[in-house]
Amino acid sequence: GENVEQHPSTLSVQEGDSAVIKCTYSDSASNYFPWYKQELGKRPQLIIDIRSNVGEKKDQRIAVTLNKTAKHFSLHITETQPEDSAVYFCAASLNSGYSTLTFGKGTMLLVSP
Amino acid sequence: DTEVTQTPKHLVMGMTNKKSLKCEQHMGHRAMYWYKQKAKKPPELMFVYSYEKLSINESVPSRFSPECPNSSLLNLHLHALQPEDSALYLCASSQEGTVSSYEQYFGPGTRLTVT
Repeated sequence: GENVEQHPSTLSVQEGDSAVIKCTYSDSASNYFPWYKQELGKRPQLIIDIRSNVGEKKDQRIAVTLNKTAKHFSLHITETQPEDSAVYFCAASLNSGYSTLTFGKGTMLLVSP
Repeated sequence: DTEVTQTPKHLVMGMTNKKSLKCEQHMGHRAMYWYKQKAKKPPELMFVYSYEKLSINESVPSRFSPECPNSSLLNLHLHALQPEDSALYLCASSQEGTVSSYEQYFGPGTRLTVT
């Protein structure tokens, strides 16, 4: 089955800095790569995703890049704000109608004012 | 309506109790999922329902019994649970068979404590 590795496990930055979280996956057939943000005690929220036919996607301060050859994808957050503090999970999925997400172990991002 | 709702928010049950978790969505999604999430861990997939039929059971013990009575509702029946089953149980849904079928939306979860 799919295996997703995520690094780092914790990331501390100053407000305004950039943050980068990296994930690798094992199954070359995976074709969908979402990122979820989970604040303490709350549900995971989809913040951005990318499909295997695209190399990069951006949404305001958030961007995701995908390297299919190397089987890795990354989340980039620019101009970080304290409200960005949360646990971020990457996931990989082979979609065949429905998606079966395999999650990375998560990165706790702490943004200090 | 773009939400997945779950009830109850919190549940405490003894090891001999029978209880049920409920999940509801009105987005017309035809795939629904149950996940289990332990503290400081990622969600782990338990079950997938597609068009009200069980499509995936990730080797979940039989003390967890899912049910999908219609396209909007998903239940998880609990019986004879163990303390290690204490966790946050998350429901999610997604469309199926469309370009948007990839995106899963999560409910707020039920915090389950087994005593």
